Amino acid sequence: GAGVSQTPSNKVTEKGKYVELRCDPISGHTALYWYRQSLGQGPEFLIYFQGTGAADDSGLPNDRFFAVRPEGSVSTLKIQRTERGDSAVYLCASSLTGAGGTTQDTQYFGPGTRLTVL
Amino acid sequence: AQSVTQPDIHITVSEGASLELRCNYSYGATPYLFWYVQSPGQGLQLLLKYFSGDTLVQGIKGFEAEFKRSQSSFNLRKPSVHWSDAAEYFCAVGAISSASKIIFGSGTRLSIRP
Repeated sequence: GAGVSQTPSNKVTEKGKYVELRCDPISGHTALYWYRQSLGQGPEFLIYFQGTGAADDSGLPNDRFFAVRPEGSVSTLKIQRTERGDSAVYLCASSLTGAGGTTQDTQYFGPGTRLTVL
Repeated sequence: AQSVTQPDIHITVSEGASLELRCNYSYGATPYLFWYVQSPGQGLQLLLKYFSGDTLVQGIKGFEAEFKRSQSSFNLRKPSVHWSDAAEYFCAVGAISSASKIIFGSGTRLSIRP
């Protein structure tokens, strides 16, 4: 079956521009997560959706970052007024229930979108 | 604050040799612990996870990890590595506030010597 997909795979933009990154989770997964991975670092949590609502957005670095999941499936991460420090790989993951601590709650990751801000 | 430490940035082992990757965590209660592997051009893949019960956890691809509460460690082991095991390995812990939120270590890059 299809895994988590992310588009585009690469995005190059100029400082100050607006970008949207898309994530298609595994069909039937109610939970969706966004992480950011800077060079040489582990993934850093940004936001977690349970269905259509953001259950935890504590990792969003500032108000330039926003994410939506209007129909409870596809999600879009939106970054306004991009800065060079936003350059990173943005990872999306999904899980069946989002019920942390259960054996069903394995997070499956997509290949990521590499964002480069010039 | 919760944290995960992987003290080895880069390890090289010979093909067929045994492997141990170190992981230490900081957590106030019984943690949820994970090991993920990331190969070039591929997404993160879960190798194994510990939630409770037996402290020796078996995973995919012949990997295992042992949870030691007294040492706050969750080291990953494999008795005999293959060239295809070359990748980046991440230890992670489920956050106190929400086990759905995973906190990752900075990773250990594994190279295999022919």
